Amino acid sequence: GQNIDQPTEMTATEGAIVQINCTYQTSGFNGLFWYQQHAGEAPTFLSYNVLDGLEEKGRFSSFLSRSKGYSYLLLKELQMKDSASYLCAVRPEYGNKLVFGAGTILRVKS
Amino acid sequence: KAGVTQTPRYLIKTRGQQVTLSCSPISGHRSVSWYQQTPGQGLQFLFEYFSETQRNKGNFPGRFSGRQFSNSRSEMNVSTLELGDSALYLCASSPSSPDTQYFGPGTRLTVL
Repeated sequence: GQNIDQPTEMTATEGAIVQINCTYQTSGFNGLFWYQQHAGEAPTFLSYNVLDGLEEKGRFSSFLSRSKGYSYLLLKELQMKDSASYLCAVRPEYGNKLVFGAGTILRVKS
Repeated sequence: KAGVTQTPRYLIKTRGQQVTLSCSPISGHRSVSWYQQTPGQGLQFLFEYFSETQRNKGNFPGRFSGRQFSNSRSEMNVSTLELGDSALYLCASSPSSPDTQYFGPGTRLTVL
């Protein structure tokens, strides 16, 4: 089966750094994605990892360890607008099928 | 470039009816995937179409079907609607497959 785990909720302070973890057990692995979804809106693409290591994109970074089935999304210099759900998704096979975790609701407080 | 568009944005149907949802991908994108999002099950993959061919299918009953046209636009159909089909249906497009997917705003379907 396919299993992707991430914390349900997290709270952090404006200006701080937060790390959202994701662990996965899937039938195969062909890449891991992070999406951001604000309430009532569509998911928007944040990052993609297929090889081990860190990918940095502005205030957002994502890390992958394939041997551990583990990824994290790091958000720096948190802003109020970062309050959203963060979705970890694995592409288990060739093609575009994504298996999503339940999402982590991040609340940024002032 | 315009993003992924989906029509209609909101839809109310009754049990037993059927519904067709439409998705226009980003210009130049050839792959379209459909997902169902509910509070209980989260985001679940329905199917992917690439160059008018169904490439992959999720674990949904045969009441859920789709197709893709030569201009890459896609439709999905749900027949004999059930209350549990109430969900946000999201379409995502990508230039190729596999590739990064970009989501549309979704169609909110309510089944009464």
